[in-house]
Amino acid sequence: DQQVKQNSPSLSVQEGRISILNCDYTNSMFDYFLWYKKYPAEGPTFLISISSIKDKNEDGRFTVFLNKSAKHLSLHIVPSQPGDSAVYFCAASAGDDKIIFGKGTRLHILP
Amino acid sequence: NAGVTQTPKFRVLKTGQSMTLLCAQDMNHEYMYWYRQDPGMGLRLIHYSVGEGTTAKGEVPDGYNVSRLKKQNFLLGLESAAPSQTSVYFCASIPDSFNSPLHFGNGTRLTVT
Repeated sequence: DQQVKQNSPSLSVQEGRISILNCDYTNSMFDYFLWYKKYPAEGPTFLISISSIKDKNEDGRFTVFLNKSAKHLSLHIVPSQPGDSAVYFCAASAGDDKIIFGKGTRLHILP
Repeated sequence: NAGVTQTPKFRVLKTGQSMTLLCAQDMNHEYMYWYRQDPGMGLRLIHYSVGEGTTAKGEVPDGYNVSRLKKQNFLLGLESAAPSQTSVYFCASIPDSFNSPLHFGNGTRLTVT
């Protein structure tokens, strides 16, 4: 059973507009959430994280929102830039040393 | 500062052959992880280690073994490779706190024919 779900395999956004990537989870024990970005032929790189005690965390153009009651988090990128074209992974941890990833969403930034 | 280094970068195996993937980190991290990435499946946890001499199973451990004899190294072994193990394998590490972002290597692309 998939514990971290990214239901959109791909997303296309115009350059300069807002990109919103969504993630749902099923395990109510998850208390730490992360977003990673991955370019082809490279390892994933950390973008931003959020603890379950918060509902928002912001870092420059990237903001993550957490809705615990809905078991949903989202990553907002504003404004979107060409270099943001990549695969984005949502990940979660329940404090048991395992870090579980979703299937990823491929973001295309259109010129 | 190399971070997390994976060797080899590419490998082709025949069904039934064995091999070991090496992950080395120079950040003195306690926790190390092996993931595999497959199209449409995302990153799935194979095995992990919370310290030298310890290992634990992840989501998809079958067909793999691991060892953590030295803190800086985490080895992933395939005793008898199968075509279903064709994948890109990523190693990652974090300090001793699980509320820390993973540092990933650049991956090993393995093809089993």
